[in-house]
This record gives sequence, C-alpha cells and structure tokens, in this order.
Amino acid sequence: DTEVTQTPKHLVMGMTNKKSLKCEQHMGHRAMYWYKQKAKKPPELMFVYSYEKLSINESVPSRFSPECPNSSLLNLHLHALQPEDSALYLCASSHGGLETQYFGPGTRLLVL
Amino acid sequence: AQKVTQAQTEISVVEKEDVTLDCVYETRDTTYYLFWYKQPPSGELVFLIRRNSFDEQNEISGRYSWNFQKSTSSFNFTITASQVVDSAVYFCALSEAVTNAGKSTFGDGTTLTVKP
Repeated sequence: DTEVTQTPKHLVMGMTNKKSLKCEQHMGHRAMYWYKQKAKKPPELMFVYSYEKLSINESVPSRFSPECPNSSLLNLHLHALQPEDSALYLCASSHGGLETQYFGPGTRLLVL
Repeated sequence: AQKVTQAQTEISVVEKEDVTLDCVYETRDTTYYLFWYKQPPSGELVFLIRRNSFDEQNEISGRYSWNFQKSTSSFNFTITASQVVDSAVYFCALSEAVTNAGKSTFGDGTTLTVKP
C-alpha cells in the first residue's frame, strides 16, 4: 500500500479564515513533508517532519503552521492567508530523507 | 548547491512515437539519489524510478527506460511507443546524502503531450 491521503481535495477560504489541511499515511514512514506547488512550477518544500519532530522549515511564513500529532498524521493549519497563497498543497511521506517520497493527491487551495 | 535542469519545457508527439525527456543535474556530493515523477492533470505526483549514484545500470520497465550517465551528469527518461495516457508533467529530482540531506530538488518539469 503506497497510499497517502489528503483532505479536503478543494478548499476556498477568505483571508480571515482559519482552516486545516490533513494528511495521512499508513506505510510506517517516519518522514512526512508539506510542499506548495503553483501552476506550471515544481513543488516547493515547506516543512519536513522526521520521527514526529519538525526537522526542516524552509522559512515559511507563520500563517502556515504544521503539526504532526502522530507518525501517521500531518496537519497544516492555515490562518490569515493571502491570495498569493493559492496553490496545490501536496503531502508526501518516506522512510527517510533519501528514500522515495510518496505523494498524496493534494489539496487545491483558493484564497479570496 | 544541488540543481536539476530539465531544458525541455514542453514536448508534443503523436501516439506511438518514442520520446526522450532530458535531465541534467549538479551536485558536489558523491552519494546522491535521482528520481523521476509523473504528474497527470489530477495533480498527484506518481513515483516512477529511484536511482543511486553508484548504480549506473540503465533500467527498463515496460515502455519506460532510463539512461543514467555520471560522466555527463544526466539521467534521461525515454518512453517507447507513447500513448495518450502518458500525457503529463514529468519531474526529475535529486536528493543529496550529505549536503541538503532530507531535501529533494526538483527540476522545472517537462510537459509531455501525446496526441492521438
């Protein structure tokens, strides 16, 4: 089973809203990732969790707040976003930093 | 710094043609890993292949084949007898074992359109 699930598939939010993106994997992976992808661009790494601890934060604005409640779950809390934050948000997981990352289907976020 | 270049932004072929997607990388590490991913219009990145820097054997999987050449820092991907379902954006990625460990650098992607 190489499935990573993400909810919701689509999200529309205003700039004053608070919302959360969820990601789940049951492959026993110890590393989980959040990426942001704008149209016609490659994925950009935002955060990496390793063994449930934040190991990499790519200088992401504080309006994005990651959380890893357990080894299978990864959340991304959103607050006071800007229209330029509209993008596809991808979650991935792997056994470790050099191992293959398996991606979820993504959440398409639109900030109005 | 690690860098991945996919010089072909867009490629269009007719079904059954063979097509090669180029990937050139830069790294100072001696141990690294290279990947290819496919991203169909639905958005999910689908893993295709992973190759480490010590394994230069070419690989074939059905209609897909990969040519890894360290001498030219290239890891090219060929689709034989292309099909409409191959239409997607293809990304090449690099992960270094030491420098930037834990991060993957993606190329800008090549959009492949296969016409019937």
